Amino acid sequence: DVKVTQSSRYLVKRTGEKVFLECVQDMDHENMFWYRQDPGLGLRLIYFSYDVKMKEKGDIPEGYSVSREKKERFSLILESASTNQTSMYLCASSLPGTGAYEQYFGPGTRLTVT
Amino acid sequence: DQQVKQNSPSLSVQEGRISILNCDYTNSMFDYFLWYKKYPAEGPTFLISISSIKDKNEDGRFTVFLNKSAKHLSLHIVPSQPGDSAVYFCAAGLGGGADGLTFGKGTHLIIQP
Repeated sequence: DVKVTQSSRYLVKRTGEKVFLECVQDMDHENMFWYRQDPGLGLRLIYFSYDVKMKEKGDIPEGYSVSREKKERFSLILESASTNQTSMYLCASSLPGTGAYEQYFGPGTRLTVT
Repeated sequence: DQQVKQNSPSLSVQEGRISILNCDYTNSMFDYFLWYKKYPAEGPTFLISISSIKDKNEDGRFTVFLNKSAKHLSLHIVPSQPGDSAVYFCAAGLGGGADGLTFGKGTHLIIQP
């Protein structure tokens, strides 16, 4: 059974703080993704990575960065949190090749920036 | 421009009847389509998928139909059960999937007893 875990379920941060969201998967997946989910907007891709130390921008990368130092861990960084980054953040992973489409999601981190 | 559209924000269906969720897409390069189910405070879970070379895929109570000429897919749930009440996301991918998926906004399915 694939397990994707996220470091926090709920997080409250102040405007301007640096925020780290951690994601770990235990199935040796090459591909990892960060999405945010907002009401009425669905899931939107922030960043993704298909290998250690590799990163690619998704559809909405502004205000975010990522780090992938180990295969199993993919971190999302908010350099200076703003209120419009209040959202549900979802991490996902998938196999390479034909299995890449089927992504396995973590439980999400509900981030509130005040 | 939204490439994957779910035009019904919510859908209410009686228990035991058929639920039909619809999804339209604009990018003809998409070659794989998926449906995810999401309960509140949980991450989405994969439900069923279909490759663009097929027009139907079935898994138990769930069937996905793809109409490439209309750029339309639908998810049928028969019979609908109370545990099916959730938000359903349609997603599409291309080029092998490593570049992530494009999701619709979701449809909240409510199964009424």
